[in-house]
Amino acid sequence: GEDVEQSLFLSVREGDSSVINCTYTDSSSTYLYWYKQEPGAGLQLLTYIFSNMDMKQDQRLTVLLNKKDKHLSLRIADTQTGDSAIYFCAERTGGGNKLTFGTGTQLKVEL
Amino acid sequence: DAGVIQSPRHEVTEMGQEVTLRCKPISGHNSLFWYRQTMMRGLELLIYFNNNVPIDDSGMPEDRFSAKMPNASFSTLKIQPSEPRDSAVYFCASSLGSWQETQYFGPGTRLLVL
Repeated sequence: GEDVEQSLFLSVREGDSSVINCTYTDSSSTYLYWYKQEPGAGLQLLTYIFSNMDMKQDQRLTVLLNKKDKHLSLRIADTQTGDSAIYFCAERTGGGNKLTFGTGTQLKVEL
Repeated sequence: DAGVIQSPRHEVTEMGQEVTLRCKPISGHNSLFWYRQTMMRGLELLIYFNNNVPIDDSGMPEDRFSAKMPNASFSTLKIQPSEPRDSAVYFCASSLGSWQETQYFGPGTRLLVL
């Protein structure tokens, strides 16, 4: 079955690194995504990783994938107040276009 | 590109009224998705279309909900009659449609049913 879980809240200080975690259950996941949602806005694609990769880096963002444990993480280096938002992980399974989203993690960046 | 366009951005209506939400996908995209977001249930996929054809509507809550895609550049999600529990943010997203393509979201329609 498809089930994607995330912790609900994360609070960090400005300048520190943030690590947002996600676990999924479907071993046939092909692509895994991180989306960011700012208040009152839609979801914005941040980055994605193909299931045969274990790491992807994009500027301040680092995605780590542990396929054995079905664990995905998003690390944000030098976290800024503008990074405060809800972060969703999502998995694409099989050959279809359907995504299953996690519950979202609300990141709060404190000064 | 203007991105995915949704209208209206906000809708307040009374219970029992018909509500129509509209979406214009990104030009050239041939998959379109309707999602609902609530505090209690998070982000739920309601239905998605590929080349204007509904592929999976298993997420549509009940017969009061219907969605159409008469052409590649327009889709509607209709609720008739609306109920207070339908209050949510409804997002439309589109993608190129091939299996590795990502989905791009519109700004959402915030619906409040009184």
